[in-house]
Amino acid sequence: DVKVTQSSRYLVKRTGEKVFLECVQDMDHENMFWYRQDPGLGLRLIYFSYDVKMKEKGDIPEGYSVSREKKERFSLILESASTNQTSMYLCASSLDSYNEQFFGPGTRLTVL
Amino acid sequence: DAKTTQPPSMDCAEGRAANLPCNHSTISGNEYVYWYRQIHSQGPQYIIHGLKNNETNEMASLIITEDRKSSTLILPHATLRDTAVYYCIVRPSGTYKYIFGTGTRLKVLA
Repeated sequence: DVKVTQSSRYLVKRTGEKVFLECVQDMDHENMFWYRQDPGLGLRLIYFSYDVKMKEKGDIPEGYSVSREKKERFSLILESASTNQTSMYLCASSLDSYNEQFFGPGTRLTVL
Repeated sequence: DAKTTQPPSMDCAEGRAANLPCNHSTISGNEYVYWYRQIHSQGPQYIIHGLKNNETNEMASLIITEDRKSSTLILPHATLRDTAVYYCIVRPSGTYKYIFGTGTRLKVLA
């Protein structure tokens, strides 16, 4: 079975802090994704990576950056956390664009 | 905007079949129908997907109407562990983009 893991289930940070969210997949998938999920807004795509060192902006990239130095690892970076970035963050991976996405358990981030 | 419409909530008795409808009247010829579910505080879990033929796997069956404007996800024998939010998504072939709507909150009752 595909396994997508995220570094933390719960995280509390202060406004202005730099925040790193890590995601690792173990199935040699090409594509990796970062979403955030907020009540009433569903899942929204932040960034997408289709290969090592390659990335594309999703629907809401502002305030975020990403890094993919190795195929199995995709990091989401909040350069200067703000309270409106309090959310559930979900990582996903897929073999390629033709296959289904598999999601990690999520990181619930609270920014105070 | 989500391209699918689902009822906000449904109840189902344990052991009975759960039939979850989805309307996707603007679906294009190359768009697949995907179903995911999300159990509270967990990431979405892939269930099944199809293009125009009915599909079945160990979790569920997917029935797509002939005109492809709607589909039904069937959980044949619902258990309490099937209580979750179920999302129906249409996705063009060869693209990565999923658009999640607000889904159907299924409650399986003992």
